[in-house]
Amino acid sequence: NAGVTQTPKFQVLKTGQSMTLQCAQDMNHEYMSWYRQDPGMGLRLIHYSVGAGITDQGEVPNGYNVSRSTTEDFPLRLLSAAPSQTSVYFCASRRGAKGADYGYTFGSGTRLTVV
Amino acid sequence: GENVEQHPSTLSVQEGDSAVIKCTYSDSASNYFPWYKQELGKRPQLIIDIRSNVGEKKDQRIAVTLNKTAKHFSLHITETQPEDSAVYFCAASTMGGDDKIIFGKGTRLHILP
Repeated sequence: NAGVTQTPKFQVLKTGQSMTLQCAQDMNHEYMSWYRQDPGMGLRLIHYSVGAGITDQGEVPNGYNVSRSTTEDFPLRLLSAAPSQTSVYFCASRRGAKGADYGYTFGSGTRLTVV
Repeated sequence: GENVEQHPSTLSVQEGDSAVIKCTYSDSASNYFPWYKQELGKRPQLIIDIRSNVGEKKDQRIAVTLNKTAKHFSLHITETQPEDSAVYFCAASTMGGDDKIIFGKGTRLHILP
C-alpha cells in the first residue's frame, strides 16, 4: 500500500512550457485534490474531484487543468508555465462522504520552479 | 466561498507549557474541521478533527474545541515537547455539500528549551 504517490519530486520549467504533475493513490479513495503551498499562504486548493469523471475548481484554478478518468489517478496539467506558478504542489486523497474517516492523506509533494 | 482565518502566524512557547491556535470560518454550513501538522520539508499530516455535532474532542495532549455560534475553533496542545515544533494548519469543509477542504494560512509553533 503506497498511499498517495506524486511524480516528479522536483521540476524546473521555462516560462511558457507545459507539463503534467502525476498523482496516483492505491487506497480506493473517492475524493482527490490538488493544493499549492507558498510561503505565508498556507495550502490553497487548485482543483478537486469527488469521483471518476467529476472535477471542480478550487480557490486558484487559473492556469491549471485536471481530469479524473480513473479512481486512482488525478493528474494536474500546467498549460503555459509562469513564474507565479513556482510553488510546492501537494496531491491529497480521502474516502468519500459515506466513509467515517474524512481525513486527507497527502502525497510527498512536487517542488516546481518556473524560470 | 469558505474563508478560514488562523492566528497567530507564529507562536513560541516554553517546553512544558500549553499552546493555543485559533481559527475562524465564514461559511455557517461548514461541518467538518480538521487540523494538520507539517514538519519541515514533509507533507501535512492529520492530527485531529472535529465535526459540528461535537463541541470538544481530545487525543492525549491535543484537543480541539468548536463554537458553532461564533464560528471559531481552536487547537490546544498541553505539556508541549520539542517534537511539537512544526507548522499547524486548520481547515474547514462542508461534508455533504461541495466537500472542498479550505485551509488557514498556518501557524509556525516553536517550542523553546
